[in-house]
Amino acid sequence: GIQVEQSPPDLILQEGANSTLRCNFSDSVNNLQWFHQNPWGQLINLFYIPSGTKQNGRLSATTVATERYSLLYISSSQTTDSGVYFCAVDLNFGNEKLTFGTGTRLTIIP
Amino acid sequence: GAVVSQHPSWVICKSGTSVKIECRSLDFQATTMFWYRQFPKQSLMLMATSNEGSKATYEQGVEKDKFLINHASLTLSTLTVTSAHPEDSSFYICSAVHILNTEAFFGQGTRLTVV
Repeated sequence: GIQVEQSPPDLILQEGANSTLRCNFSDSVNNLQWFHQNPWGQLINLFYIPSGTKQNGRLSATTVATERYSLLYISSSQTTDSGVYFCAVDLNFGNEKLTFGTGTRLTIIP
Repeated sequence: GAVVSQHPSWVICKSGTSVKIECRSLDFQATTMFWYRQFPKQSLMLMATSNEGSKATYEQGVEKDKFLINHASLTLSTLTVTSAHPEDSSFYICSAVHILNTEAFFGQGTRLTVV
């Protein structure tokens, strides 16, 4: 099946720092989404980004589908950014099943 | 918009009993809903695909008789964990795919503890 790897697995940063999270996938995909899982387990949609670049406030994402990777940028980190970030992809078969990546655990220190 | 409500948020039950978890898309229709399971400090694993009006499709290794799924309408899917055992304790999350595009939205999750 499709493999979805995220790096780094863990990241500890000082408040105000910038970070780049990476998602590599092993096959062509129809869709890619980024999520933030908060400490209570809720998955919050960040980006729906099968290709191209999007920005939303301090966050932006870029997917290069032909090279099978996506990047999530977080600028001027805040403590509320702490949590686990997942990318998830669905294969190009139109069944909309999402395969989740391994996740990046981000900890922002005040 | 695009809100998915999952209930209950947490439940504790005795071994051998059954637990029902509801997943509702509040402001959009979803022909397809998905059920995931997440163990501590791990990623989400897909359990089954729930389609309105038809039988659910289970992933390999998931017991369909233990995890009963019903998708009664375009806005409601339920997961029933039957004859629960302590090893079924986990975090269960549903998602609904918007009928107009392929973006998935997730419920708040249900933390199940079987004692």
